[in-house]
Amino acid sequence: GAGVSQTPSNKVTEKGKYVELRCDPISGHTALYWYRQSLGQGPEFLIYFQGTGAADDSGLPNDRFFAVRPEGSVSTLKIQRTERGDSAVYLCASSPGPRGETQYFGPGTRLLVL
Amino acid sequence: SQQGEEDPQALSIQEGENATMNCSYKTSINNLQWYRQNSGRGLVHLILIRSNEREKHSGRLRVTLDTSKKSSSLLITASRAADTASYFCATDGGSTLGRLYFGRGTQLTVWP
Repeated sequence: GAGVSQTPSNKVTEKGKYVELRCDPISGHTALYWYRQSLGQGPEFLIYFQGTGAADDSGLPNDRFFAVRPEGSVSTLKIQRTERGDSAVYLCASSPGPRGETQYFGPGTRLLVL
Repeated sequence: SQQGEEDPQALSIQEGENATMNCSYKTSINNLQWYRQNSGRGLVHLILIRSNEREKHSGRLRVTLDTSKKSSSLLITASRAADTASYFCATDGGSTLGRLYFGRGTQLTVWP
C-alpha cells in the first residue's frame, strides 16, 4: 500500500513569503506528526494531530507556524513570513494510533528560504 | 531540546564487520525506537523495544535496553554497504501523547 507522501519535495522561497507544505498520511492512520530536521540534527517535534484536532502543538517555534488537518486525513503545515532560519527538511509521519507506536515517515519537504 | 544522544557521532567500518551504536536518554520511557535515514530524507523504522524488555532481535539487528542506565544499543551484524545511513534512537519521553524525541544520530559508513 501507499506510504506517507509529502509535497512538494523541494520548495525554494524568498524571505517574507508564505509557504504551505502538504502531508498525505497512510490511509486509516488517525495520528499525524510534523517534525523539522536541520542539517546534522535529528528531527524535532512540531505538532501532533489525533484525528482533526491538534493534540500537542508545543513544538511549534512561534506563531508564524500553523498546521491544519480539517478532515482527519491530509494535513497542511503553513509558515508565514518565512525567515532564513526556517530552512530545513520538514518531515511528516503517521501512525495507526497515538500510544507508543511505530511512526511511518514521508520523504520530507526540503525548504530553502533565500 | 533533544532527549536522546547517540554515540559515536560517526562510525566507519568494513563490510562484514559488526557495527554498534549507543543511545542515552534523560527521562523515563514507555518505549525506545531506532530509525534509519538515508541521504537526509525520510526515516525508516527499524525496531521498537518496550521499557519492560531488555533485548530484541530483528534479522541482523539486535537492540538492548537498560532502563536503569537510561541507555540502549543497536548492533548490526555482518554489515553491508547498503547499511550506510544515519541511525537515530527515539524515545517517547514517558508520554502517551505519541511525540518522539530524537538524538543527533550516528552516521554509519560501511566500506565494500
